[in-house]
Amino acid sequence: AQKVTQAQTEISVVEKEDVTLDCVYETRDTTYYLFWYKQPPSGELVFLIRRNSFDEQNEISGRYSWNFQKSTSSFNFTITASQVVDSAVYFCALDNTDKLIFGTGTRLQVFP
Amino acid sequence: DTAVSQTPKYLVTQMGNDKSIKCEQNLGHDTMYWYKQDSKKFLKIMFSYNNKELIINETVPNRFSPKSPDKAHLNLHINSLELGDSAVYFCASSPGLAGQEGGNEQFFGPGTRLTVL
Repeated sequence: AQKVTQAQTEISVVEKEDVTLDCVYETRDTTYYLFWYKQPPSGELVFLIRRNSFDEQNEISGRYSWNFQKSTSSFNFTITASQVVDSAVYFCALDNTDKLIFGTGTRLQVFP
Repeated sequence: DTAVSQTPKYLVTQMGNDKSIKCEQNLGHDTMYWYKQDSKKFLKIMFSYNNKELIINETVPNRFSPKSPDKAHLNLHINSLELGDSAVYFCASSPGLAGQEGGNEQFFGPGTRLTVL
């Protein structure tokens, strides 16, 4: 069965703190893709990253970084020096063939 | 230019009515999807189409019928609306399916908030 677990329902931080959002997935497939999407209060879904199962290199994009570890089936997302504009619901998702399976999302609130 | 557009953005209607939500993408993608996001923010796939052919129908009631007149459009028609249909519906598109050339990065529309009274 395919499953994505985001155990953190809600996280609150103060601006400039670093924060890590956890994502654990389950799949029996050897080829799959992992994603992170951001949903700000305005409601749209914004693509952040796609990673395939054969690429375990960590990735950094500005204040965002991702840590993919197949050994623990995790694809965690870290925001460094968080800002108020980072406040949103963040979704991790898994795709192996023809659909995205989303986690339940983590609501991040960044206070000034 | 909007990549994936949906109309209307808001839809308020009475139980029992029939309504449609339209989706268009101008990205030249082969694959389109409909997702439902409930009040708890849970996102779930409803349908996917690849080159106008139905790929996934994820145990959605027969009252929901997608229609893809061409690769750029995937409309969602809902018959006999029920209170439980109230949700935000997202359309998305991707170049292809996972493993296909172009990949499966999905671009989402802005969502349609459906409220059934």
